[in-house]
Amino acid sequence: GIQVEQSPPDLILQEGANSTLRCNFSDSVNNLQWFHQNPWGQLINLFYIPSGTKQNGRLSATTVATERYSLLYISSSQTTDSGVYFCAVLKAGANNLFFGTGTRLTVIP
Amino acid sequence: EAGVAQSPRYKIIEKRQSVAFWCNPISGHATLYWYQQILGQGPKLLIQFQNNGVVDDSQLPKDRFSAERLKGVDSTLKIQPAKLEDSAVYLCASSRQQGDANVLTFGAGSRLTVL
Repeated sequence: GIQVEQSPPDLILQEGANSTLRCNFSDSVNNLQWFHQNPWGQLINLFYIPSGTKQNGRLSATTVATERYSLLYISSSQTTDSGVYFCAVLKAGANNLFFGTGTRLTVIP
Repeated sequence: EAGVAQSPRYKIIEKRQSVAFWCNPISGHATLYWYQQILGQGPKLLIQFQNNGVVDDSQLPKDRFSAERLKGVDSTLKIQPAKLEDSAVYLCASSRQQGDANVLTFGAGSRLTVL
């Protein structure tokens, strides 16, 4: 099956700092999504980004499908950004998303 | 629009007992998913429905897990008998369509503890 690796596994930031989270995948994908799981366990879809670049406020994401990676940028981090960030991919020909192992982000005031 | 509703939020049972979780997807979403998330891991798909038909249940432990979506709307996931390793959060998600362009919306999850 497809392998989805996220790095770093853990990240601690001071409030106001910027960060980059990375997602590498081992096969061609037709769909890639970034999710944030807050400390209460709720998964929120951040981006649907099979290719290209998107921005939403302080967050932006870039997927380079030909090189099999995606990046999530968080600028001016806030304590509410804390939680686990998951990358999930849909392999070509498959029916459902496969989740990576996640990056746990802690933003301290 | 209303989100994906799940119940119960928390359940504690002893091993070998049974439990059922309920999910009501977003209105108009044809595709419904049940994921299992063990502490410290990413969600893993258990079963995917398209309307009331099963699209993928290859990761569902069918000797103890069952799921149905009889009228193509809400769904029930059952575990009988439960094992200690079933302790996890069971997440329901829905999407308007399946395949390449689907964007998933998740419910708050049902946290199961098996003692």
